[in-house]
Amino acid sequence: AQTVTQSQPEMSVQEAETVTLSCTYDTSENNYYLFWYKQPPSRQMILVIRQEAYKQQNATENRFSVNFQKAAKSFSLKISDSQLGDTAMYFCASSGTYKYIFGTGTRLKVLA
Amino acid sequence: GAGVSQSPSNKVTEKGKDVELRCDPISGHTALYWYRQSLGQGLEFLIYFQGNSAPDKSGLPSDRFSAERTGGSVSTLTIQRTQQEDSAVYLCASSLSPAGNPDTQYFGPGTRLTVL
Repeated sequence: AQTVTQSQPEMSVQEAETVTLSCTYDTSENNYYLFWYKQPPSRQMILVIRQEAYKQQNATENRFSVNFQKAAKSFSLKISDSQLGDTAMYFCASSGTYKYIFGTGTRLKVLA
Repeated sequence: GAGVSQSPSNKVTEKGKDVELRCDPISGHTALYWYRQSLGQGLEFLIYFQGNSAPDKSGLPSDRFSAERTGGSVSTLTIQRTQQEDSAVYLCASSLSPAGNPDTQYFGPGTRLTVL
């Protein structure tokens, strides 16, 4: 069975600092993508970053980057220069055969 | 419309009533997905559509849940005889590539269903 595990239910970080959110996964798929989504209180799921598993290079989107360790099945998200607007739930997800498998989320609070 | 839209945004109903939740995917997206998010939980997959066809309905929690998609576009999730445990946020997503090919899913804002 495919699983996605986020072991940090809550985290906080000072504004302008860097924080890393952890995610591990298990899949039997050979071709899969990994995602980080952000869900602010508005509950809109917003794509933060995507990693194709066949690519060795870690994905980067502005202040957001991932550390993708395929052999270890680890996919962590690093947020640099944290901003108050980064406060949200963050979900890690793995693409399955036709559906995503989501972790239970990490609630991130950025402190002023 | 640039994104996935869902209606209504919020729905309050009484136990035993039927409800319909609507999803308008991004134009041209072939695959459509429904998820359920209970309070403080991750997302639970319910059903997906490839075109108008739903090949796998095993994620639906009970036979009170059904869904359809018409014209390869709009989808409706229907819950009959609602129960309090059906209270949740129902999220819809769509993707450009056919289901089965890994691709980015774009989510709507969800419908918050409250069953009294």
